[in-house]
Amino acid sequence: SQKIEQNSEALNIQEGKTATLTCNYTNYSPAYLQWYRQDPGRGPVFLLLIRENEKEKRKERLKVTFDTTLKQSLFHITASQPADSATYLCALDIEGSARQLTFGSGTQLTVLP
Amino acid sequence: NAGVTQTPKFRVLKTGQSMTLLCAQDMNHEYMYWYRQDPGMGLRLIHYSVGEGTTAKGEVPDGYNVSRLKKQNFLLGLESAAPSQTSVYFCAILSGNSYEQYFGPGTRLTVT
Repeated sequence: SQKIEQNSEALNIQEGKTATLTCNYTNYSPAYLQWYRQDPGRGPVFLLLIRENEKEKRKERLKVTFDTTLKQSLFHITASQPADSATYLCALDIEGSARQLTFGSGTQLTVLP
Repeated sequence: NAGVTQTPKFRVLKTGQSMTLLCAQDMNHEYMYWYRQDPGMGLRLIHYSVGEGTTAKGEVPDGYNVSRLKKQNFLLGLESAAPSQTSVYFCAILSGNSYEQYFGPGTRLTVT
C-alpha cells in the first residue's frame, strides 16, 4: 500500500539558518507533490506544488525538490524566521479523477530566535 | 481560508448521539472533501464529492455519511457517534484551475 513518511516529527533550527524537511514515499508513482503549512488550531494552507517532471520549484524563500528515482521530496526554507514556525505537511495525489490527496503526518518546525 | 466555512467549530457528543457537520463554500467549485486529523496520523480522507448530487468514499469512510444536495454545501453526518470519532474534521475544496486544496478552519469533535 502507499506510504508517506516525513522524517522527524520535530525540527528545531536557529533563526537565519536554512530548514530542510524531508518527505519520502513508497509503493507509489505520484504525478505531483504538494507542501502545506499548518498553524495550531488552523486548517492547512497550500504552499507549493511540484510535478513529476520538475526537479525544483521556488517561491520566495521556499524551495522544493522532487526526486522520483529516490522517491523523495525536500522542502527548504532559507533565512528562516520565527514566523516560519509551524507544522509542514507533504501530500501526494492519489490516482483517480477526483484529485484526492494522501498526506504525511507532518514535521513540526520551530525556528528559535 | 478562501471562502470555506465549517459549522460548528466545537462539539461534544455522547456515545450513540448523532450530528451533522456543515461545510459551505462561497465559490463555485465542484470538488469538495472531508478529512479527519488525529495526532501523529496526518489528514485522512473520509469522503469526497466531485459535484452536486455525487459522493464517494475515501480512505476511512466507516461510521460516516455525506450528502451534496447543493453545490455550495457538503454535509458530513455521524449517525451513532463513537469515541474513536473524536478528532478534528477539516473540509476542503479543490481550486478550480489547479490541484491545490483550500481548507476550512476545522471542527473539533469530542465523543465521550
